[in-house]
Amino acid sequence: QVQLVQSGAEVKKPGSSVKVSCRASGGTFSSYGISWVRQAPGQGLEWMGGIIPIFGTPNYAQKFQDRLMITADRSTTTVYMVVSSLTSEDTAVYFCARGTQYYDVWGGNSPQKDYFHSWGQGTLVTVSS
Amino acid sequence: QSALTQSRSVSGSPGQSVTISCTGTSSDIGDYNYVSWYQHHPGKAPKLMIYDVIKRPSGVPDRFSGSRSGNTASLTISGLQAEDEADYYCCSYAGNYVWVFGGGTKVTVL
Repeated sequence: QVQLVQSGAEVKKPGSSVKVSCRASGGTFSSYGISWVRQAPGQGLEWMGGIIPIFGTPNYAQKFQDRLMITADRSTTTVYMVVSSLTSEDTAVYFCARGTQYYDVWGGNSPQKDYFHSWGQGTLVTVSS
Repeated sequence: QSALTQSRSVSGSPGQSVTISCTGTSSDIGDYNYVSWYQHHPGKAPKLMIYDVIKRPSGVPDRFSGSRSGNTASLTISGLQAEDEADYYCCSYAGNYVWVFGGGTKVTVL
């Protein structure tokens, strides 16, 4: 049973950065993708970006390309997300989510069949002056 | 990478059926035919309800079913129950290890 545990709530000033962690336990870490999904107040779920630790290269939604950084630490089975240049519109609950697809470094992967089955508990990030 | 389009809300009485639609483009739903649906109760983590358009993970009641036609996917809840009241989101792969969610549909049980 995979468990994802996220770091605690944050309050940040506009223009600053926030770093949120997501530690995975149970199951294989490196070969499964972990994505970040956020929900702003009154808004829907929004996929921000993700990383497959065995590949190491993150992928981002176009909207977040310039100010989102996702990294993975295989030694601690933890994925990190840093959002920079925060504004009030970044106030949201941020979730990490693990995919269902096993990725093989030798290829033959099918990312289109990857779904978000295990989720972290969510981290509230409040951006306020 | 635009959000998939969902109706804002749908409602039904207990025991009735409701259907939620999710419209994408030929770059996501129409191209990949791998749509998932998530149930989200406020304050909780989302829950995977449907994947591969029509499949249910273990533990999801069979009153939840999915379908797809062209660029539009649908989720039907048959025999609506009070605990089904939640927000529902569709999601599609959009290429290059990028995913996109729909705007969400609020299901109200009258």
